[in-house]
Amino acid sequence: EVQLVESGGGLVKPGGSLRLSCAASGFTFSNAWMSWVRQSPGKGLEWVGRIKTKTEGGTTDFAAPVKGRFSISRDDSKNTLYLQMNSLKTEDRGVYYCTTDNYPSGYSSGLAFDYWGQGTLVTVSS
Amino acid sequence: SYVLTQPPSVSLAPGKTARITCGGNNIASQNVNWYQQKPGQAPVVVIYYDDDRPSGIPERFSGSNSGNTATLTISRVEAGDEADYYCQVWDSSSDSWVFGGGTKLTVL
Repeated sequence: EVQLVESGGGLVKPGGSLRLSCAASGFTFSNAWMSWVRQSPGKGLEWVGRIKTKTEGGTTDFAAPVKGRFSISRDDSKNTLYLQMNSLKTEDRGVYYCTTDNYPSGYSSGLAFDYWGQGTLVTVSS
Repeated sequence: SYVLTQPPSVSLAPGKTARITCGGNNIASQNVNWYQQKPGQAPVVVIYYDDDRPSGIPERFSGSNSGNTATLTISRVEAGDEADYYCQVWDSSSDSWVFGGGTKLTVL
């Protein structure tokens, strides 16, 4: 059974930093591109960024609102994805989900976000 | 960046057909995914690549994409279909995934 479990959320002051983790199991993590998606309370889904597999360079892409402030990394030996968030703003608050993004063995053969975690809540407030 | 526009809400009686639209400039040239999100839960993909359905998703769910509008169609709507629905595309001009604003489906 595929599982994605996010952790690391919490309360942080504006300008602060936070690192989220996503522990993966039940699939070949090293073969999956991974994305982070966030959702502000009562609002819609917003893609944050993604990382490709190491064999494809491990390159990252980010949404404009977080570019330069957030970074994504992965540790395939630990089956874990990370989201480092710096210079946090109040508008960065919300639930952060990790998802598979282009996982060829997924429901959609990698064409959609097939597997999602349950999310971790980030609150940015003074 | 690319913008996807969805109606905020759609309401209809059980047994009817729901059509949720997703508007975007020449969206027909994009591959559209659709997600269902129920309260307190993570999203689930219900349609991918415009009109493909993952295993386990009822045949009542279908998708189409033409011109400037993609459509998620849910036939014979049931109470259990009440959820928020989001469309999604990859915007190659900005190298980013884009979600529509979401549509709340209410079954009366």
